[in-house]
Amino acid sequence: SQKIEQNSEALNIQEGKTATLTCNYTNYSPAYLQWYRQDPGRGPVFLLLIRENEKEKRKERLKVTFDTTLKQSLFHITASQPADSATYLCALDHGSSNTGKLIFGQGTTLQVKP
Amino acid sequence: DTAVSQTPKYLVTQMGNDKSIKCEQNLGHDTMYWYKQDSKKFLKIMFSYNNKELIINETVPNRFSPKSPDKAHLNLHINSLELGDSAVYFCASRLAGNNEQFFGPGTRLTVL
Repeated sequence: SQKIEQNSEALNIQEGKTATLTCNYTNYSPAYLQWYRQDPGRGPVFLLLIRENEKEKRKERLKVTFDTTLKQSLFHITASQPADSATYLCALDHGSSNTGKLIFGQGTTLQVKP
Repeated sequence: DTAVSQTPKYLVTQMGNDKSIKCEQNLGHDTMYWYKQDSKKFLKIMFSYNNKELIINETVPNRFSPKSPDKAHLNLHINSLELGDSAVYFCASRLAGNNEQFFGPGTRLTVL
């Protein structure tokens, strides 16, 4: 069965360091992979999308990589700030139909300490 | 000017009751979704409507019935509520051709 796993439930880092979150998947060939941010008591907010034929995508301090051979995506936040503390969700999008169906990982909660 | 709104924000009810959650989006999107997020934070798709037509119907109990009166609204009705239905329910919407989904603030349902 399809499975998507984010490497750790929680990640604690010091302000200014780079946070690296991992998303692995099995039995799936997504056309896209998306990353969302979720703050406590709120809905997820879209951050970045990367296509299967893209190796890397950047947006300000965020960088996402996508390795379809390893079936893995890495999500980096450089120069992290306490305001980056949140839960980050990766989501697979098959893309073959127009439904937009997403399969989410369980999320990694990032805590950036000042 | 909330993009995706849900009501109510909190819902506490007894087992066996029937309840509804409402969702509205003012983004002009044509596809809407219902997700369930359990206590372990897993976010799982339940249903999706595109222009009032059901396009995703995951394996959920038939006590759950979505209703879309128009493409800006997607409501979720739950019959005979059970303890295991306790979760946060999120509504989301998407514009056809785009992949990004916009989520509502969630409805925390507690079944006692």
